[in-house]
Amino acid sequence: GAVVSQHPSWVICKSGTSVKIECRSLDFQATTMFWYRQFPKQSLMLMATSNEGSKATYEQGVEKDKFLINHASLTLSTLTVTSAHPEDSSFYICSAPHGQVRETQYFGPGTRLLVL
Amino acid sequence: AQSVTQLGSHVSVSEGALVLLRCNYSSSVPPYLFWYVQYPNQGLQLLLKYTSAATLVKGINGFEAEFKKSETSFHLTKPSAHMSDAAEYFCAVSVHTDKLIFGTGTRLQVFP
Repeated sequence: GAVVSQHPSWVICKSGTSVKIECRSLDFQATTMFWYRQFPKQSLMLMATSNEGSKATYEQGVEKDKFLINHASLTLSTLTVTSAHPEDSSFYICSAPHGQVRETQYFGPGTRLLVL
Repeated sequence: AQSVTQLGSHVSVSEGALVLLRCNYSSSVPPYLFWYVQYPNQGLQLLLKYTSAATLVKGINGFEAEFKKSETSFHLTKPSAHMSDAAEYFCAVSVHTDKLIFGTGTRLQVFP
């Protein structure tokens, strides 16, 4: 149990376009999901907390207008990278908490974004 | 505030040797502690977790970790390394909230 999926796994886009990444909890409901960014050979950096039915909470230094998050249902959160630029190229990973007291994060397989 | 320190960004062992990956945490209240493994171009997979029950925690793939409050440590061990253990390992802490704080990761290499 506790499977999280992401789509797409790979995306290549031109500079200036917008890219949407989906994160789904397949066998459980998630009122909260988290979005991380990971640069090569580095740790995960928390970008924002996605809250079902309300606004996302962004970490300091993360541009809200650049990284739009929507959590429209209990199993789906989306991250849209707007007007993407080469410096947005990265590995984006989502997670959702699950467990007796929601103490454990289960991670999606990640989405590799390359902006040309 | 909580934090995690992973000593050693790279660890190399021979196949069959003991694996020891170090993790120290800082927290003003009893934490939850986690070890995750990441294979190339993949998400993170939970290896094991400590949530204030038994201090010696057994996880998947033969890994285990011991919570030592006096040393503020949660080191990950495996008695005998396998080639398939080569990956990036992350220690993480949370304090009864959903938010995880990650260490910088340790890359494990296993030589034949």
